[in-house]
Amino acid sequence: ETGVTQSPTHLIKTRGQQVTLRCSSQSGHNTVSWYQQALGQGPQFIFQYYREEENGRGNFPPRFSGLQFPNYSSELNVNALELDDSALYLCASSWSQTGENPYEQYFGPGTRLTVT
Amino acid sequence: RKEVEQDPGPFNVPEGATVAFNCTYSNSASQSFFWYRQDCRKEPKLLMSVYSSGNEDGRFTAQLNRASQYISLLIRDSKLSDSATYLCVVAMDSNYQLIWGAGTKLIIKP
Repeated sequence: ETGVTQSPTHLIKTRGQQVTLRCSSQSGHNTVSWYQQALGQGPQFIFQYYREEENGRGNFPPRFSGLQFPNYSSELNVNALELDDSALYLCASSWSQTGENPYEQYFGPGTRLTVT
Repeated sequence: RKEVEQDPGPFNVPEGATVAFNCTYSNSASQSFFWYRQDCRKEPKLLMSVYSSGNEDGRFTAQLNRASQYISLLIRDSKLSDSATYLCVVAMDSNYQLIWGAGTKLIIKP
C-alpha cells in the first residue's frame, strides 16, 4: 500500500451539483497531483499542488478547483457537475525539493464519481 | 494525433510466453518515460522508469528509441498475475505533467 488515502470511495451526484473529493498524502510528501480517468482511458492531469499553491494545471475548466492544506492533504472541488465528469478521480502524492520534477508519484485508490 | 499512443489490446498470451508492447509519443522534447501497471478498478502503480540505455527489472525489460519516438516493454516468462493494463507515461523536464497513454490490456491464460 502507498499510504495515500482518498475519500469517499464511491459517490453518486446529480448534474449541476457540486462535489468535494479528499486526499491524504503519504507521510513526508509535499506535492499532490489530481487526475481524471474515464473508462478505458489513461489518467488526465487536472492540476498539481506544491506547498499549498497550485503548481500547474491541465486542460480542465475553472469549475475544477483545489486546495492543499498545511499537512499537505488536498481537496478537489468540482462545481456544476456534468455527465462527462463521471470518472475515477485519482490523487497522487510525491516529494519535490523545488516543485519541479516530482515524477515518482504514489497513487491513492481513487474516488469513483458517477453523475446522473 | 494523441500525444502518447498504445495498442489497446487485449493481448491474450499463454502463461510462460514472452510478450512485448510498444508505445509511441509525439513530442520529441519528452525527457522522461515510465511504465505503470493498473489492475482492474485499481490505481496505477509504477512498474519501471525507462532509461536511454534500457533497463531490466527481473522479467521486465524496458527500451527507449528516441529516434523513432517509441518505448517498449518486454515481459518474459509471463505469469497469471501479470494480467493487467500497462500504461505508458511520458514527461518533459520543462514541466511536471505526466502524459498518459490509454493503456494496453494484457490477459495471461493458463
